[in-house]
Amino acid sequence: EPEVTQTPSHQVTQMGQEVILRCVPISNHLYFYWYRQILGQKVEFLVSFYNNEISEKSEIFDDQFSVERPDGSNFTLKIRSTKLEDSAMYFCASGRPPGNEQFFGPGTRLTVL
Amino acid sequence: AQRVTQPEKLLSVFKGAPVELKCNYSYSGSPELFWYVQYSRQRLQLLLRHISRESIKGFTADLNKGETSFHLKKPFAQEEDSAMYYCALSGNAGNMLTFGGGTRLMVKP
Repeated sequence: EPEVTQTPSHQVTQMGQEVILRCVPISNHLYFYWYRQILGQKVEFLVSFYNNEISEKSEIFDDQFSVERPDGSNFTLKIRSTKLEDSAMYFCASGRPPGNEQFFGPGTRLTVL
Repeated sequence: AQRVTQPEKLLSVFKGAPVELKCNYSYSGSPELFWYVQYSRQRLQLLLRHISRESIKGFTADLNKGETSFHLKKPFAQEEDSAMYYCALSGNAGNMLTFGGGTRLMVKP
């Protein structure tokens, strides 16, 4: 059964550095999402992407964040200048119409020092 | 604004006992409600969605629009049900999911 994959599983970075988190959604899916979960808190929506553009974003998704689908298979989340409070588990998800079900990747744990 | 509330962070029951994990929501339109489960060291997986009205692994959930609730129930808990359970809400297809804070279910032998 196809699954969403994410790399790396754990990323450690220094504050102020750029990070790119990578996701390979399920191949025939059309909607792509990033969520994050700070330790001990709820899963929060960051951004959704459809038809090669952002369709929704939360207030968390500020100018420091960007998403890209560079080659038709990968879906990336870039944080330009990481802050300590960006430390979290980042989940990628994908889905396709007509249903609303989203399939999640295993997550990337980002630690900002 | 849409919101999902799971009032219990932890629910501990004995094997064979009934389980009810509570979920309340607020949403101005017609939401789609989901239960996701996360077993230890595994990814979030969809357990149930309200529109399919099915039973998965013995779990059921009924959408009560009057009480704005979508509680998850199982008549006889099993040890392998121990996991983190998240209630989530979405609007139209392709929309974001709004998650509750999650309930950790522990089923004791």
